Amino acid sequence: DQQVKQNSPSLSVQEGRISILNCDYTNSMFDYFLWYKKYPAEGPTFLISISSIKDKNEDGRFTVFLNKSAKHLSLHIVPSQPGDSAVYFCAAREQGGSEKLVFGKGTKLTVNP
Amino acid sequence: GAVVSQHPSRVICKSGTSVKIECRSLDFQATTMFWYRQFPKQSLMLMATSNEGSKATYEQGVEKDKFLINHASLTLSTLTVTSAHPEDSSFYICSAIGRNSPLHFGNGTRLTVT
Repeated sequence: DQQVKQNSPSLSVQEGRISILNCDYTNSMFDYFLWYKKYPAEGPTFLISISSIKDKNEDGRFTVFLNKSAKHLSLHIVPSQPGDSAVYFCAAREQGGSEKLVFGKGTKLTVNP
Repeated sequence: GAVVSQHPSRVICKSGTSVKIECRSLDFQATTMFWYRQFPKQSLMLMATSNEGSKATYEQGVEKDKFLINHASLTLSTLTVTSAHPEDSSFYICSAIGRNSPLHFGNGTRLTVT
């Protein structure tokens, strides 16, 4: 059973527009959420994270929103750039200090020039 | 530059042979390393957690005798796929974390078993 779900396998947006990537989770023990970006044949690279005590975290063009009651988080990229084209993974970590992450299946973002 | 180095990036082996994949933390001491497996269009599935100097903790359903993990030092963990079969073909990724370092991933190893 998938504890972290990214229901959109792909997303295509125009350069300059906003990209919104969504992620849902089922485990209420998750207290920390991360977004990773992955290019083909490379490992994931950390993008942005949010603790469950917050509902928003912003870093430059990237903002992550967390809705705990809905068990939903989203990553907003604005403005989107062609270099943002990659697979984005949502990941979650349980309370207790373990560094184990549970990943979603990823969403492939394509930003068209 | 990369802070976690994974080698080899690609390997092709014959069925029945064993393959070793190395994961090194380059500029920090990794107290914990994680090994993942990714099938096409699937999420990263955690296989095992490796702490320096102790036995690895395997996730449910992962055969510890088939996927041997050794975390011999604070900068090196190895994953050995023993008696490989075609169904072991996959993308294997390691990650490492240190006391003063966030989690970093290696670039992965594409294993093909013929």
